Amino acid sequence: AQTVTQSQPEMSVQEAETVTLSCTYDTSESDYYLFWYKQPPSRQMILVIRQEAYKQQNATENRFSVNFQKAAKSFSLKISDSQLGDAAMYFCAYINWRGGADGLTFGKGTHLIIQP
Amino acid sequence: NAGVMQNPRHLVRRRGQEARLRCSPMKGHSHVYWYRQLPEEGLKFMVYLQKENIIDESGMPKERFSAEFPKEGPSILRIQQVVRGDSAAYFCASSANGQGNTEAFFGQGTRLTVV
Repeated sequence: AQTVTQSQPEMSVQEAETVTLSCTYDTSESDYYLFWYKQPPSRQMILVIRQEAYKQQNATENRFSVNFQKAAKSFSLKISDSQLGDAAMYFCAYINWRGGADGLTFGKGTHLIIQP
Repeated sequence: NAGVMQNPRHLVRRRGQEARLRCSPMKGHSHVYWYRQLPEEGLKFMVYLQKENIIDESGMPKERFSAEFPKEGPSILRIQQVVRGDSAAYFCASSANGQGNTEAFFGQGTRLTVV
């Protein structure tokens, strides 16, 4: 079974600075998808960015980018120019290429605090 | 195009009562997932359904929990004889085809409190 590990329960960053959230995963599959979700206090799960395992190029969405290291099974999220609205829980998640069965596997989350 | 709608947002039940959680997927979506989030934890997969079929319920407790997604109407997660340990946030997600490369959209969750 696949597992997702987020080793940082909490991270703090000054507004406008850059922060990196760590995620490692374990799977025997070669084709899969990785995601970062943001969960603000409203509890809504918001997709931040996703990465296809077959793509070598790291995904980027505006201020959010990932460092995907397939051999190391590492998938970190970098947030540049941090803003107060970025404060939330961030969850790393995995799904195999077939999707469906088992659904998404989530890490335990990292609580990101933005210092004004 | 309304997103995934879950109701109620908050539900309080006494021990031994039944809890019924509803999820209306996005328009055009026929694949629904239910997840449970305990305090300070990530979401844990419970069950995956398509219209009128349970595809995978490997994450759902064998007793007291059931789920359905009828041809008409919302998906229902039903918890019978609730216990304190059932207190959690329950999330529903829907997707167009259930495949890994298709984005799943989440509802805002139902927070169940068992007193």
